[in-house]
Amino acid sequence: DQQVKQNSPSLSVQEGRISILNCDYTNSMFDYFLWYKKYPAEGPTFLISISSIKDKNEDGRFTVFLNKSAKHLSLHIVPSQPGDSAVYFCAASAGTNFGNEKLTFGTGTRLTIIP
Amino acid sequence: GAVVSQHPSWVICKSGTSVKIECRSLDFQATTMFWYRQFPKQSLMLMATSNEGSKATYEQGVEKDKFLINHASLTLSTLTVTSAHPEDSSFYICSAGAPQNQPQHFGDGTRLSIL
Repeated sequence: DQQVKQNSPSLSVQEGRISILNCDYTNSMFDYFLWYKKYPAEGPTFLISISSIKDKNEDGRFTVFLNKSAKHLSLHIVPSQPGDSAVYFCAASAGTNFGNEKLTFGTGTRLTIIP
Repeated sequence: GAVVSQHPSWVICKSGTSVKIECRSLDFQATTMFWYRQFPKQSLMLMATSNEGSKATYEQGVEKDKFLINHASLTLSTLTVTSAHPEDSSFYICSAGAPQNQPQHFGDGTRLSIL
């Protein structure tokens, strides 16, 4: 039962353009959503998060949008840079203290930025 | 710099060997640590939640006698894979629970290969 899904296993984007990564979830108890970036043989690195009471959160080149009614969130990266090439995971937490709650991860999307 | 240190990063050993993986929070005290497992090209699957001074909470389907977790201090949790077999070969990642409204920090993972 995959409660968090990333339906695109891979995505290629031209450098300088916008990258849009999508994530869907099924559990309405999820309160907090996070995006992590992961390189091979390394642990995930936190990028950005959003609470279920918001619909948008922005941090530099990264913006996360949340559509709670559709149970859908997306990560926008603009402009995309070669260093953004990695696997991106969305994750969800069923508590507001997401630092100490277990996370449910999506299956990941491999983003490749083409120079 | 890294705030969670995971050691070792790579282990190759014979079938039947027990392997211990350490996860240390470097800059903060973590009452909660999490252990995940990732198969190639798949999501991070939570194995167990490790609470300092108490027994770990295992996810459904994870054998507690196979994967022993100890969280004896606020900065150290260990995962011991007992009598490892080739099917235990995987990438194991820990994360440390963070203060309120801070994201979890992940270690760099341990690649375990059982021959």
